[in-house]
Amino acid sequence: EVLLVQSGAEVKKPGSSVKISCKVSGTSFSDYYIHWVQQAPGKRLEWMGLVDPEDGNTLYAEKFQGRLSFSADTSTDTAYMELSSLRSEDTAIYYCVAVGTNYAWFDPWGQGTLVTVSS
Amino acid sequence: EIVMTQSPATLSVSPGERATLSCRASQSVSSNFAWYQQKPGQAPRLLIYGASTRATGVPARFTGSGSGTEFTLTISSLQSEDFAVYYCQQYHNLWTFGQGTKVEIK
Repeated sequence: EVLLVQSGAEVKKPGSSVKISCKVSGTSFSDYYIHWVQQAPGKRLEWMGLVDPEDGNTLYAEKFQGRLSFSADTSTDTAYMELSSLRSEDTAIYYCVAVGTNYAWFDPWGQGTLVTVSS
Repeated sequence: EIVMTQSPATLSVSPGERATLSCRASQSVSSNFAWYQQKPGQAPRLLIYGASTRATGVPARFTGSGSGTEFTLTISSLQSEDFAVYYCQQYHNLWTFGQGTKVEIK
């Protein structure tokens, strides 16, 4: 069974950065793309982008371009998402999702990480 | 960007009744379409992919249909554990989600 375990909740000041981890187990890390999804209060799920752990290639949603950085450490089977220049609107739950290289729907999901941006 | 629009926003249904949820895409996504269920405090769970294929472990009372721009999720006889928020998603051109339909107890 593929399992994704994310790091814990964070409280950040406006203008700072946050880095969330997503550890993958139960499978070969390189067989999946790791996607990230934002769920802000009262808003729809929003795809943020993806990282290919095999080669480190990334794809970012236009909305987050310039503030977002994904990485993957194949030695620990862990993916990371870093969001900078935080503002109150970034308060949300962030999910990582494993998507196999031969399909495109989202399964499985991490448990989510709550990021609160507040002064 | 492909915009996904779900209706209704809220559906009030009695246990044992049928629920029908709709999702419309702003342009054709073929069958590159999925449904997810989300309960409070939990991550979304994949229900349907390829517009009509149930994910592993999903009960047969969940049926997905449609292609192109119009899609439907039918829950044939609502059980207590089915009261949740349901999201549609297209993965034809990048990935976008609908705004969700909340299925609540009538």
